[in-house]
Amino acid sequence: SQKIEQNSEALNIQEGKTATLTCNYTNYSPAYLQWYRQDPGRGPVFLLLIRENEKEKRKERLKVTFDTTLKQSLFHITASQPADSATYLCALSTGGGNKLTFGTGTQLKVEL
Amino acid sequence: GAVVSQHPSRVICKSGTSVKIECRSLDFQATTMFWYRQFPKKSLMLMATSNEGSKATYEQGVEKDKFLINHASLTLSTLTVTSAHPEDSSFYICSARAEGIYSNQPQHFGDGTRLSIL
Repeated sequence: SQKIEQNSEALNIQEGKTATLTCNYTNYSPAYLQWYRQDPGRGPVFLLLIRENEKEKRKERLKVTFDTTLKQSLFHITASQPADSATYLCALSTGGGNKLTFGTGTQLKVEL
Repeated sequence: GAVVSQHPSRVICKSGTSVKIECRSLDFQATTMFWYRQFPKKSLMLMATSNEGSKATYEQGVEKDKFLINHASLTLSTLTVTSAHPEDSSFYICSARAEGIYSNQPQHFGDGTRLSIL
């Protein structure tokens, strides 16, 4: 069966450290993968998109990697801040690339 | 840029009421909008894809007659939950995709509608 798995447990890290979140998938062949941030009671906010032929993408303190052999994406936040605390969702392109299928998300807490 | 406005943000109503939710792309045109449902601590579940000027495409298991979708313009899609019952209580979120050469444009989300049916 098809699955998108993200760490179900909350990730707690200290301010200034690098947070690394994992997204693993099975029985999908996504052309691209996206990462979103969601705060409580709000809609997701787009962060980064990475295509299947790209290994790495960066944007300011954010970095995403995409390994289609391992079927895994890693999402890194460097120099983390309390304001980075939120739930982070990975989403795979499905339905011929016209739709997104979301993982369950990982809650990140950055502590002082 | 890429702002999506969703209204209302919260609805509380009696069982049997029909509820309309609006989704507007404020500063871009979107021929495709999406409607999702999210349960507490769960992922977003795609309900339907809304196409401007044509019928919506519903995901398996989603009742078309229950969740009516209209996408009458390039900036507005509406979701009507007809004869809502307590089991329809949920967080409904819309998104819009800006047009580009490729379909892999990011989706921009509204802030959701918390629907509570008594």
